[in-house]
Amino acid sequence: GENVEQHPSTLSVQEGDSAVIKCTYSDSASNYFPWYKQELGKRPQLIIDIRSNVGEKKDQRIAVTLNKTAKHFSLHITETQPEDSAVYFCAAILPGNNNDMRFGAGTRLTVKP
Amino acid sequence: GAGVSQSPSNKVTEKGKDVELRCDPISGHTALYWYRQSLGQGLEFLIYFQGNSAPDKSGLPSDRFSAERTGGSVSTLTIQRTQQEDSAVYLCASSLSPASGELFFGEGSRLTVL
Repeated sequence: GENVEQHPSTLSVQEGDSAVIKCTYSDSASNYFPWYKQELGKRPQLIIDIRSNVGEKKDQRIAVTLNKTAKHFSLHITETQPEDSAVYFCAAILPGNNNDMRFGAGTRLTVKP
Repeated sequence: GAGVSQSPSNKVTEKGKDVELRCDPISGHTALYWYRQSLGQGLEFLIYFQGNSAPDKSGLPSDRFSAERTGGSVSTLTIQRTQQEDSAVYLCASSLSPASGELFFGEGSRLTVL
């Protein structure tokens, strides 16, 4: 399986500021990179994803960028709000017979009002 | 069903006992994953099933852990001779296919080993 590293492990920002979370992956053949948000006591849910044939994708206040050469991808949240407070996980999937999805260790984002 | 269903939602057991956790994926989803999440920690990959292919068991932490998926649908994760360090939330997820990407998670089974 893929090896995914994520940082920072915790991030605290003021409401209205931007937040950036970064992940790196080990296998250049990985082709799908989702981001999941897990609110306290709830299940992880997909918030945005990107495939290896594009470099950036945006959905309202969130965006993901992918640098295939450097094997890293980032989540950007603009105009943060208290409800953005959660743990965010990045993941990567390696195509082939074993398509298991490996997650980063997670980033606990706190947005202070 | 409408979503991924897991049971039991909570399980308290004594050290040394065996436990079975069940996952009922979304109908038609060929891929099924088990993850373990200890308190405040990340999603630790345990095992992955895809159709009729041999499962990827590379994440199982010891031979006390096993899982099967019968008929390509329901999956059972079995932990034998439970230890206190097995206490965690066990999350199951399914996806339509590996290529589709998005995982749909169940609510999880919270296991407490006394």
